[in-house]
Amino acid sequence: DTGVSQDPRHKITKRGQNVTFRCDPISEHNRLYWYRQTLGQGPEFLTYFQNEAQLEKSRLLSDRFSAERPKGSFSTLEIQRTEQGDSAMYLCASSLDTVYGYTFGSGTRLTVV
Amino acid sequence: RKEVEQDPGPFNVPEGATVAFNCTYSNSASQSFFWYRQDCRKEPKLLMSVYSSGNEDGRFTAQLNRASQYISLLIRDSKLSDSATYLCVVKQILTGGGADGLTFGKGTHLIIQP
Repeated sequence: DTGVSQDPRHKITKRGQNVTFRCDPISEHNRLYWYRQTLGQGPEFLTYFQNEAQLEKSRLLSDRFSAERPKGSFSTLEIQRTEQGDSAMYLCASSLDTVYGYTFGSGTRLTVV
Repeated sequence: RKEVEQDPGPFNVPEGATVAFNCTYSNSASQSFFWYRQDCRKEPKLLMSVYSSGNEDGRFTAQLNRASQYISLLIRDSKLSDSATYLCVVKQILTGGGADGLTFGKGTHLIIQP
């Protein structure tokens, strides 16, 4: 598989539970990004890794959110104590160089009930 | 003022017509510009980069006007399969450096009618 993979595709969770999503980028891409998209909005930047280093976090990324990329390959995004406002599509993307844009995964759709 | 602004539409256009969208951005130091296409409940996919001199890819033409801080996308001879949301995307450079994330507009919804 040469694309960006995300798992799971869908997640339904009860408010207050913790959830973790995984992203496997394109293997030769050293940059990895997490975005969140809600209905009628464009994707909103959450965080960015270059290799294993998390270089930037958006103010949207509250202390309930944490992202890791321990070996510079796959990444995880964890949301603790989920709230209904966390319901969204969580998109992962990877790139070699932003001059050429990103490749997105299919996303994980989170529903908090 | 939002960083990247687009008319959300929808634009209802007959098949075969030409349609154009504009997008404005607020940060004059922005470096890279793109148009992405997003189909319903799918991920965004890169349609084309936008270069200062303007660029064309088949029926699609993108232009950048740095002085006025807007980007345009023109679609000629529109097809039913062009129906989608078109996202204007800008790489912002924030004060103090850093910032590698792209900033997306909300998108313009295009419906091509037979």
